[in-house]
Amino acid sequence: AQTVTQSQPEMSVQEAETVTLSCTYDTSESNYYLFWYKQPPSRQMILVIRQEAYKQQNATENRFSVNFQKAAKSFSLKISDSQLGDTAMYFCAFISGGGEGYGGSQGNLIFGKGTKLSVKP
Amino acid sequence: DVKVTQSSRYLVKRTGEKVFLECVQDMDHENMFWYRQDPGLGLRLIYFSYDVKMKEKGDIPEGYSVSREKKERFSLILESASTNQTSMYLCASSSHIGDLSYEQYFGPGTRLTVT
Repeated sequence: AQTVTQSQPEMSVQEAETVTLSCTYDTSESNYYLFWYKQPPSRQMILVIRQEAYKQQNATENRFSVNFQKAAKSFSLKISDSQLGDTAMYFCAFISGGGEGYGGSQGNLIFGKGTKLSVKP
Repeated sequence: DVKVTQSSRYLVKRTGEKVFLECVQDMDHENMFWYRQDPGLGLRLIYFSYDVKMKEKGDIPEGYSVSREKKERFSLILESASTNQTSMYLCASSSHIGDLSYEQYFGPGTRLTVT
């Protein structure tokens, strides 16, 4: 069974600094997708960034980037120039891929337990 | 923008009551999901549905049932609420279509307290 592990329950960072959140996963599959989701206090969970396992290039979205190490099964999230609005729970998630157009009953996300990030002024 | 809405943000019910949590999405997504979120445990999948009238058990289905009579609506039912079902409940949806079928969109959550 696939598992996702976030080893840092809580982290803090000073505003404008850089922080890295760790995530490791376990799977025997070669085709899968990885995500980082953000859940601000009392607000909706939103997708921050996604990475396809078949792509070697690390995904980036503005100040957010990932370090995807497929052999090590590691998927860390780097937040540059941290802002107060980055304060949130961050969840790493894995989903098995089944090829183009695949979906249906096996399109289920497996989440880590989350990392609570506090950005301090 | 995809919009997923849930019928209540906060709900307080008594032990033994039947509880309905409603979720509606407006993007014609085929897949819909119910999760339970508890501190230190992350999100755990209760039930999901990949088509109207179809449902499958997730990791923790005990004590819950679901209904999907229309594509846009997915209901979670607690037949007889118990205090250990006090939690945050999140609904999500996703599409079957191509690569984007793996991206889930979440509702705001319902914080249920059972007393």
